[in-house]
Amino acid sequence: GENVEQHPSTLSVQEGDSAVIKCTYSDSASNYFPWYKQELGKGPQLIIDIRSNVGEKKDQRIAVTLNKTAKHFSLHITETQPEDSAVYFCAASRGGANSKLTFGKGITLSVRP
Amino acid sequence: NAGVMQNPRHLVRRRGQEARLRCSPMKGHSHVYWYRQLPEEGLKFMVYLQKENIIDESGMPKERFSAEFPKEGPSILRIQQVVRGDSAAYFCASSPGSGGATEAFFGQGTRLTVV
Repeated sequence: GENVEQHPSTLSVQEGDSAVIKCTYSDSASNYFPWYKQELGKGPQLIIDIRSNVGEKKDQRIAVTLNKTAKHFSLHITETQPEDSAVYFCAASRGGANSKLTFGKGITLSVRP
Repeated sequence: NAGVMQNPRHLVRRRGQEARLRCSPMKGHSHVYWYRQLPEEGLKFMVYLQKENIIDESGMPKERFSAEFPKEGPSILRIQQVVRGDSAAYFCASSPGSGGATEAFFGQGTRLTVV
C-alpha cells in the first residue's frame, strides 16, 4: 500500500520568513496530493491540493510543487504569520474506489513573532 | 452551506460500553470516510462508504468496529465493548465523489475517552 513520509517533524521560522515542508510517497499510482492544516482541538482543514497532471499550484501565500519522477511534493508558505502556526499534514490518494487518503505523520510549524 | 457535522464532540465511555459516533456529510456529498487520530500521530484511514454501501473497509479492525451510511440520516461509526486503546479522535470526511480523486472536507471530530 501507499506510504507517505513527511519531514521534518517540527519547523520553527521567524515571522515573515518562508517555510517549506516536504513529503515523499511510494505508490506511483497516486494522483492526488492534498495538504491539510490542523489547529489544536479542531479538524483538518484543506488548504491546497495538487493533481498529478500539474507540477505546481499557487494560492496567495501558499504553493505546492510536485515531482512525479522523484515521488515527492512540497508545501511552500511565504511571508509566514503567527496564525500559520499549526500542524500540517500531507496526504496522497489514487482516486476512484481507492480514494482513501494516506497521511504523513504531520509537522508542527511554529512561527515566532 | 454547513460543513461536515460530527457529534458528539466529546464522548466518555467506560470499558465494555458501546460508542456511537455520528457524521452528517456536507450538503450534496454522497461519500463519507472515517479516520482515527491518536495523540501526536497522523490520521489513519478506517472505512469509506457511499449511501448504503461500504466501498473500502481495509482500515477497520476486524472485531468490535462497524460503520454504516444509510439512505436517510447520518453515517454511524459504532464501537462495541470499548477498551482503553480505542481512546482517540475520530474524524469524518465527505466528498462529492462521482469518480476520480476529489476534495475531502473534514468535520471537527469526536474525541472518545474510554475510562
